[in-house]
Amino acid sequence: GENVEQHPSTLSVQEGDSAVIKCTYSDSASNYFPWYKQELGKRPQLIIDIRSNVGEKKDQRIAVTLNKTAKHFSLHITETQPEDSAVYPCNEKLTFGTGTRLTIIP
Amino acid sequence: DAGVIQSPRHEVTEMGQEVTLRCKPISGHNSLFWYRQTMMRGLELLIYFNNNVPIDDSGMPEDRFSAKMPNASFSTLKIQPSEPRDSAVYFCASSFSPRSNQPQHFGDGTRLSIL
Repeated sequence: GENVEQHPSTLSVQEGDSAVIKCTYSDSASNYFPWYKQELGKRPQLIIDIRSNVGEKKDQRIAVTLNKTAKHFSLHITETQPEDSAVYPCNEKLTFGTGTRLTIIP
Repeated sequence: DAGVIQSPRHEVTEMGQEVTLRCKPISGHNSLFWYRQTMMRGLELLIYFNNNVPIDDSGMPEDRFSAKMPNASFSTLKIQPSEPRDSAVYFCASSFSPRSNQPQHFGDGTRLSIL
């Protein structure tokens, strides 16, 4: 079955610094990798996704990188702001990672 | 677009009672997913439908859980009888394709508390 491991489970970052969250998957045939953001008490929402034909995708302060050989993909948030504080679950097919709780310290 | 609509938003009931959660997917989406979220286990897929047909229900915990999708615009998740360990947030999501390559759109969830 599909297996997704996400690290770290919690991450505290000083405002303005960068944050990196990593997900490792098991199915080498997977070709779509989205990241979601879930604020406290709210629903998960897509923030960025990548398909296997590219290695990196950027959207302003957010980027996702994909390493198909090593079977992992990472979320990068630069110039972090307090509103970035949330849980970030990754997703591969029908499996979600357990999520990373990101806290931005003002 | 109204998004995925779930009801109720909150449900508190006593153990042993039947619980019915409802979901209206985004119009045009042909796949619907039910998830359960807890602090310990995160988002767990319970079941998903493609074109109203259940495709994978391996995540349904036990026979107390059942899900139906009588038409393209409505689905229910039932728990009977409910138990305190069923307390969680239940999300419904929909997408254009059954697996991969398309993001899932989530409803606001139902926070279920079984006393």
